[in-house]
Amino acid sequence: EAQVTQNPRYLITVTGKKLTVTCSQNMNHEYMSWYRQDPGLGLRQIYYSMNVEVTDKGDVPEGYKVSRKEKRNFPLILESPSPNQTSLYFCASSARDRGHEQYFGPGTRLTVT
Amino acid sequence: QKEVEQDPGPLSVPEGAIVSLNCTYSNSAFQYFMWYRQYSRKGPELLMYTYSSGNKEDGRFTAQVDKSSKYISLFIRDSQPSDSATYLCAMSTTRSSASKIIFGSGTRLSIRP
Repeated sequence: EAQVTQNPRYLITVTGKKLTVTCSQNMNHEYMSWYRQDPGLGLRQIYYSMNVEVTDKGDVPEGYKVSRKEKRNFPLILESPSPNQTSLYFCASSARDRGHEQYFGPGTRLTVT
Repeated sequence: QKEVEQDPGPLSVPEGAIVSLNCTYSNSAFQYFMWYRQYSRKGPELLMYTYSSGNKEDGRFTAQVDKSSKYISLFIRDSQPSDSATYLCAMSTTRSSASKIIFGSGTRLSIRP
């Protein structure tokens, strides 16, 4: 089954404790990205990757890091989480020539206290 | 002004009603117009997309684009309780993954049995 998986699905942590949210896709997609979804603000892109070892900032990259060492994986790293990073996070992927068809993961609900 | 505007709702209609969901946009370069459906506690999934102007029908769903007015619509005929979800419009200039996708903030729809 074609899918994007994220782990963990739910995470409660404290300010300053480094964390990683994993994302993996099994569709051999070149493009992967991370979004955060907040009430009234919709989906905002954090980082994206056009291919292995190619990453770039989205609209709200501050406080986040990413890496793309393998085509299927695109982890999101919060080196020092803060309460304003409490949000619902989605990973998405698409084929290079079908960017309008984004496949989303199930989401990770992060709470930073 | 946001590039894409969408009424957040919530919108509540009785089962069997025709539903109309709408978005307006400001960037005349948008060529691909998508509708994503997001069930509670799930990631968005692509419902349908339209290239340029015109209508596209898929079962009970019809997507309509009016580029002269910068206005897109999604119609749902014979609405069912299973259609209850948040609907996000999205737009991009090309089908390439290099084109940024702009999402609306979503309209929450509830179909009453």
